[in-house]
Amino acid sequence: AQKITQTQPGMFVQEKEAVTLDCTYDTSDPSYGLFWYKQPSSGEMIFLIYQGSYDQQNATEGRYSLNFQKARKSANLVISASQLGDSAMYFCAMREPAGNTPLVFGKGTRLSVIA
Amino acid sequence: EAQVTQNPRYLITVTGKKLTVTCSQNMNHEYMSWYRQDPGLGLRQIYYSMNVEVTDKGDVPEGYKVSRKEKRNFPLILESPSPNQTSLYFCASSFTGLAGGPGYEQYFGPGTRLTVT
Repeated sequence: AQKITQTQPGMFVQEKEAVTLDCTYDTSDPSYGLFWYKQPSSGEMIFLIYQGSYDQQNATEGRYSLNFQKARKSANLVISASQLGDSAMYFCAMREPAGNTPLVFGKGTRLSVIA
Repeated sequence: EAQVTQNPRYLITVTGKKLTVTCSQNMNHEYMSWYRQDPGLGLRQIYYSMNVEVTDKGDVPEGYKVSRKEKRNFPLILESPSPNQTSLYFCASSFTGLAGGPGYEQYFGPGTRLTVT
């Protein structure tokens, strides 16, 4: 059974600093996808970044990058140059490819950016 | 604008009164799914659809029905809502339900906050 663990219920970061949000996962399938979503206080789920299990390079999308360490089964999200608008809940999620597999989410990390 | 829309955004209803939450996407996505989000439990999948006329149960399907008669629409039906279905509901879609590169990520609607009294 797949499982996502986010060990940081809450994080604080100073504006303009970088922050790393931790995510570890558990799967026995060699093929899977890892995702990060942002949920601001308004409630919507915003897709940030995707990493495939066979991707050789770490994914990057603007200020977001994914530190993918396959052997350690970790997929940490790095946000560079934090902004006040980055304050939100962040969810790590995983999906295996066989047929339907749902997007399985971690419990989330609440990030607060301080001016 | 590419998007997933849900209606209504907020709904307060009473036990037993049938309701439908609509979901529509304009991205020609094959895969659509419904999730519910509850404090302490995270997001859990209710139902999914790999394509038109193909639907199947997720992790928490009890008390819900879905249909997929058209590619763009995937309504969620609560035949007889109960208070334990009070939750935040999300519809999501992706180009494919299978592994791959681009198109594998799911895009979410804005959410529907349902309260059943």
